Amino acid sequence: SYELTQPLSVSVSPGQTATITCSGHELGEKYVCWYQQKSGQSPVLVIHQDDKRPAGIPERFSGSNSGNTATLTISGTQAMDEADYYCQAWESTSVVFGGGTKLTVL
Amino acid sequence: DVQLVESGGGLVQPGGSLRLSCVASGFTFSSYEMNWFRQAPGKGLEWVSYIGSNGISIYYADSLKGRFTISRDNAKNSLFLQMISLRADDTAVYYCASRALTTSDGFDVWGHGTIVTVSS
Repeated sequence: SYELTQPLSVSVSPGQTATITCSGHELGEKYVCWYQQKSGQSPVLVIHQDDKRPAGIPERFSGSNSGNTATLTISGTQAMDEADYYCQAWESTSVVFGGGTKLTVL
Repeated sequence: DVQLVESGGGLVQPGGSLRLSCVASGFTFSSYEMNWFRQAPGKGLEWVSYIGSNGISIYYADSLKGRFTISRDNAKNSLFLQMISLRADDTAVYYCASRALTTSDGFDVWGHGTIVTVSS
C-alpha cells in the first residue's frame, strides 16, 4: 500500500519559516493536500492541489510538490500556527494520509 | 452557513454495531462527494470510506472492508456509516467531510466529529 512519510515534529521560532515535508514514491505525480488540526478541533484544509490556498487561509501558508516530496511552508510563523499538520494524497481509489507532524512554535 | 453535524456515536461492546449519521446544511448535499474519516485517541487521521454524489461510487479502506457500509440519503441531506463487528481498535472520533465543496480539491468542510468507544 502507498505510504506518505512526515517528520514527527518540527520546531520553529515565532516569525521564522517552518517547513514540513511529506515523502512518497513519485508523489510529484499526484495532487497533495495539507490539513491543519489544532488540539481538540476538526482538521482544516490549508493547501489543496499542491499549492492552492482555500479562501480564508493566510498567505503565509504555501505548498509545493515535486519528485518524491511535497512541502508545506509557513512563512512568518505565528503562535496560532502551532498544530498537527497532515499531508494527504489519493492512491487509485484510496485516500492516504501522512502520519502527521506536530509543529511547535517556541 | 455550510455545516456538517455527526451523531450516533457512543459506547458499544466488542462485536456490537453502530450507525453514524451526518446531516448537511447550507449547501446542495446531493451535488457533492462525501467521506468518513476517523482518528483514534492520540493518533493520526485515517480515511474510512468515500461515496460519490449519487451514491453509486463507493470506496473503503482495505482494512475495513466487509465491516463498514457507507450510504447516503440525498433527500434528507444525510450521510451514514453502518459499522458491525466492532473491535477495540475501532475506538475513535469519526468525522464526515465533503470533498471539493468550496475548493477544486481536498476535503474542505468537516464536521465536529462523533466519538465511538468500543469497550466491555
